[in-house]
Amino acid sequence: AQSVAQPEDQVNVAEGNPLTVKCTYSVSGNPYLFWYVQYPNRGLQFLLKYITGDNLVKGSYGFEAEFNKSQTSFHLKKPSALVSDSALYFCAVRDMGAGANNLFFGTGTRLTVIP
Amino acid sequence: DTEVTQTPKHLVMGMTNKKSLKCEQHMGHRAMYWYKQKAKKPPELMFVYSYEKLSINESVPSRFSPECPNSSLLNLHLHALQPEDSALYLCASSQDSDVYYGYTFGSGTRLTVV
Repeated sequence: AQSVAQPEDQVNVAEGNPLTVKCTYSVSGNPYLFWYVQYPNRGLQFLLKYITGDNLVKGSYGFEAEFNKSQTSFHLKKPSALVSDSALYFCAVRDMGAGANNLFFGTGTRLTVIP
Repeated sequence: DTEVTQTPKHLVMGMTNKKSLKCEQHMGHRAMYWYKQKAKKPPELMFVYSYEKLSINESVPSRFSPECPNSSLLNLHLHALQPEDSALYLCASSQDSDVYYGYTFGSGTRLTVV
């Protein structure tokens, strides 16, 4: 079975500083990896994905993620955090269970950007 | 139209009530999903419809009954729910049943069972 781990429940960063939200994965075969963001009482919004190709993936709102096969990681990064980036971030991996694929989500990391 | 629309946004129901959640998309997506999300937890998959056929049912209790009348519409019928079923119910769609395309999520229905 596929799995994804987000080791930090909470990440605090000062506005203007770089941010990193960590994600590690365990899959059989080639991984499909995703990052989503959730604002309070809202659905999830797609940020970026890695399927194949360049290890550095650029996504929405200035976010990027680096796929590292040797470390089985897919950390989300942004060079300069904004207060408006404060939200819940989910890493997800393709799950091939039950013969049809779907997204399996990590436990989430709450990012707080401090003004 | 690049949205998934869920109605109602909020729902309070008693344990003997019957209610339905509705999800609609007009992006031509052929796969639709129901997820359940408890507070401070990740979304958990409930059902997957691919080309209007139920393809995944993650051992969800029978008090939840999905329905896909057409490729644009997905319903979740609720009957005799328990207080622990209170959660945010999220609908999502994708271009195809392959997650390669990622999902588009609705804003969810906040369900409270009293």
